[in-house]
Amino acid sequence: IAGITQAPTSQILAAGRRMTLRCTQDMRHNAMYWYRQDLGLGLRLIHYSNTAGTTGKGEVPDGYSVSRANTDDFPLTLASAVPSQTSVYFCASSLGSNSPLHFGNGTRLTVT
Amino acid sequence: GQNIDQPTEMTATEGAIVQINCTYQTSGFNGLFWYQQHAGEAPTFLSYNVLDGLEEKGRFSSFLSRSKGYSYLLLKELQMKDSASYLCAVRDSNYQLIWGAGTKLIIKP
Repeated sequence: IAGITQAPTSQILAAGRRMTLRCTQDMRHNAMYWYRQDLGLGLRLIHYSNTAGTTGKGEVPDGYSVSRANTDDFPLTLASAVPSQTSVYFCASSLGSNSPLHFGNGTRLTVT
Repeated sequence: GQNIDQPTEMTATEGAIVQINCTYQTSGFNGLFWYQQHAGEAPTFLSYNVLDGLEEKGRFSSFLSRSKGYSYLLLKELQMKDSASYLCAVRDSNYQLIWGAGTKLIIKP
């Protein structure tokens, strides 16, 4: 089934540990995004990639890094997790800059 | 700054009609999206407006007035499965999406 796959579904992580959230899409979408969703706040963009080989910073990039080596994969890395990074993380993709976003099922991350 | 405002929560009765409003202040405008998000799930695309007027899609309609910075999502013949959060998002002049915090819609029998 075409779509976006995120892994893991949930994770409890000790502060200071490194963690990579995985995201893969098979729709051949050019653009991919990482958002975090916290209670009472709108989705906030962490990083994005308009096409393979390029990435950009969103609204809340500090503490996170991404890479886009190919069209399908867009991993998000937390180099040294802190409790404020406890959140639900959504990966999304779109065909173009003005197309609707398709979301993965999310990763629920708890940093203790 | 850029801002999207939506009511935090609304309650409606099964079979009725509900209108969820969204007002926005953004640097430029390149379209407005509505998404539905059930608890614990991913947002799913509902509608897209870039020109003024009403877009109808089955039980759901979305309206846009660019001069007023205003949109609404109209849900007719409400069903229990419509209980969800509804997210309004606007693409600004840089084609970045600005998201509202969402409106939690509670449907009562």
